Amino acid sequence: DAGITQSPRHKVTETGTPVTLRCHQTENHRYMYWYRQDPGHGLRLIHYSYGVKDTDKGEVSDGYSVSRSKTEDFLLTLESATSSQTSVYFCAITRTRGGDTQYFGPGTRLTVL
Amino acid sequence: AQSVTQPDIHITVSEGASLELRCNYSYGATPYLFWYVQSPGQGLQLLLKYFSGDTLVQGIKGFEAEFKRSQSSFNLRKPSVHWSDAAEYFCAVARSYNTDKLIFGTGTRLQVFP
Repeated sequence: DAGITQSPRHKVTETGTPVTLRCHQTENHRYMYWYRQDPGHGLRLIHYSYGVKDTDKGEVSDGYSVSRSKTEDFLLTLESATSSQTSVYFCAITRTRGGDTQYFGPGTRLTVL
Repeated sequence: AQSVTQPDIHITVSEGASLELRCNYSYGATPYLFWYVQSPGQGLQLLLKYFSGDTLVQGIKGFEAEFKRSQSSFNLRKPSVHWSDAAEYFCAVARSYNTDKLIFGTGTRLQVFP
């Protein structure tokens, strides 16, 4: 299994509070991704990173920001959580952009009340 | 734009029966295609992938998939299902030579009866 951990694994928070989710990898892979998984939608890309301090928006980036100050850590922040951001969040990593496989972390279940 | 359709939301089969999960994609060129499996409460695990070459791809856990360009399909098959195969299965597509922008289907939940 790819060395990917996510923390916390479960979180319940209230509307309007900031939330930060962490993805940590031990594979030294350059590329990292944040997805959200919702019933009827599969997985959708939120943000991604091509290296330290190099990030960009994905399909559903509104309301989210990311940071990557070290190769091994990719943080996803909800500045002011809303109920629509209740979801399961997955981090993924890959070694290259071309012809490589994305490996996924175990996920974080976030509930916004 | 790329898209992936998994027409079956939920499939139920008996243990030992054969299985086929459907996946259709929309993309102008030859895509990269993936099947992932997600067990309850777990992350996604890669079952198999198609990049080029032989259109019949073998994966882990006895699964295989066939790329059919004429039908824009990449269906997943297994000749004999085990109870441990109960999970959710996702098909995904990416542009050739740029696999970081994965587009996922909505998933098919497989239930296996003894």
